[in-house]
Amino acid sequence: SQTIHQWPATLVQPVGSPLSLECTVEGTSNPNLYWYRQAAGRGLQLLFYSVGIGQISSEVPQNLSASRPQDRQFILSSKKLLLSDSGFYLCAWRGQGPQPQHFGDGTRLSIL
Amino acid sequence: LAKTTQPISMDSYEGQEVNITCSHNNIATNDYITWYQQFPSQGPRFIIQGYKTKVTNEVASLFIPADRKSSTLSLPRVSLSDTAVYYCLVVGLSQGGSEKLVFGKGTKLTVNP
Repeated sequence: SQTIHQWPATLVQPVGSPLSLECTVEGTSNPNLYWYRQAAGRGLQLLFYSVGIGQISSEVPQNLSASRPQDRQFILSSKKLLLSDSGFYLCAWRGQGPQPQHFGDGTRLSIL
Repeated sequence: LAKTTQPISMDSYEGQEVNITCSHNNIATNDYITWYQQFPSQGPRFIIQGYKTKVTNEVASLFIPADRKSSTLSLPRVSLSDTAVYYCLVVGLSQGGSEKLVFGKGTKLTVNP
C-alpha cells in the first residue's frame, strides 16, 4: 500500500534561518506531489505542485521554494524564514488521472 | 475557475444524519469533487469523491445534482468522533498535466451527545 512520510513533525526556527522540509512517498511511482500551508484555524493554501522530477508549479509568490530531486521526494525550502512563514505545512500525493489526494501528517512550523 | 463555498460551522447530535453542502457555481465540465475530514494537528483524510449523481462508500454518500453546481456530503448516524472540519475540493485536470485545485474554507462540524 502507499504511504506518505513528512518530517519533522514540529520545528521551531528563528527568523532569518533556512528551512528544509522533506516529504517522501512509498508504494507508487510517478505521483503528483503537493505542498500546502494551513494557518491556524484556516483553510488549506496550495503552495506548489509537481507532476514529475524537476517540474514545479508555484501557486503563490512567496519566500518559499520547492524541489523534486527524485520521483517520490518533494522538498520545501526557504533561504531566510519570515515570521509570516509560521503555519502547518502539509504534503500530499495523488496518482495519475482523477484520483484523490492523500495527505501526510504535517509539520508544525513556528518562527521565533 | 470554480470557487467553493461551504457553511462555516454546523451542529448536530449523535445518531443524526448530517448533510454538508458545498457550492461551486463555476465548475468546469471535467472538474471532479472530493471531500476531506480533518482533525486538529492532522492532515486531511480522504472521505469520498465524485463527478456526478450519487456516490456511496462505507462512511459517507456524495450527492451531485445534474447541473453540478453544488455537492452534498451526507454522513449517516454521526458519532462524537465525527467532530472535525470537512473540506470540499474541486479539481480540474488538463491534458497537459496542469491542474487547478480549489479548496473550500471548511465546515466545522460539532457532534453533541
